Amino acid sequence: KAGVTQTPRYLIKTRGQQVTLSCSPISGHRSVSWYQQTPGQGLQFLFEYFSETQRNKGNFPGRFSGRQFSNSRSEMNVSTLELGDSALYLCASSLVSGDYEQYFGPGTRLTVT
Amino acid sequence: SQQGEEDPQALSIQEGENATMNCSYKTSINNLQWYRQNSGRGLVHLILIRSNEREKHSGRLRVTLDTSKKSSSLLITASRAADTASYFCAPNQAGTALIFGKGTTLSVSS
Repeated sequence: KAGVTQTPRYLIKTRGQQVTLSCSPISGHRSVSWYQQTPGQGLQFLFEYFSETQRNKGNFPGRFSGRQFSNSRSEMNVSTLELGDSALYLCASSLVSGDYEQYFGPGTRLTVT
Repeated sequence: SQQGEEDPQALSIQEGENATMNCSYKTSINNLQWYRQNSGRGLVHLILIRSNEREKHSGRLRVTLDTSKKSSSLLITASRAADTASYFCAPNQAGTALIFGKGTTLSVSS
């Protein structure tokens, strides 16, 4: 079974631009979660989608948004990029929401200049 | 959602030694999960222990859960250089997101 895939793997953007990151979960998994990881703040939860509905949301500004499609693939969007958005963005999928282990993708390394 | 607190923050041991990491949390849980992250990569699930379980094993890993003390420990026996990584615990409540703490950074030298 193929693992969680994230595209692109690396991205360089300029302040003020917007970016869309993509995540394809393991086949059959309906829950997708997104995390931001930085050296200073550690691993922070962004949001979780289950069956195209946002189930949980972390404490991030409205510039961070996401969605999930009917095939469970998910995208997250960051608008008006700031230098502090430079981070490793990780996506994780699980069979259902909540009570099961998560499988993580390799991440997208975003650098904002 | 709640975040676990791993302790110690950093641990350095020699190959062949055992490594023990602890996790504390604040409110009741459905399960607690442990993950490993090698530098700059995605997290890898290690073990899930349910609230009605006290101990679980997987290869060289042993996890205990004490719900009365709201704590868990992860023991890695006979550590290898390849075990060098950050380890995270995630206490999980029904219907909530999995939140990770700062983790324990384990260094195993040969």
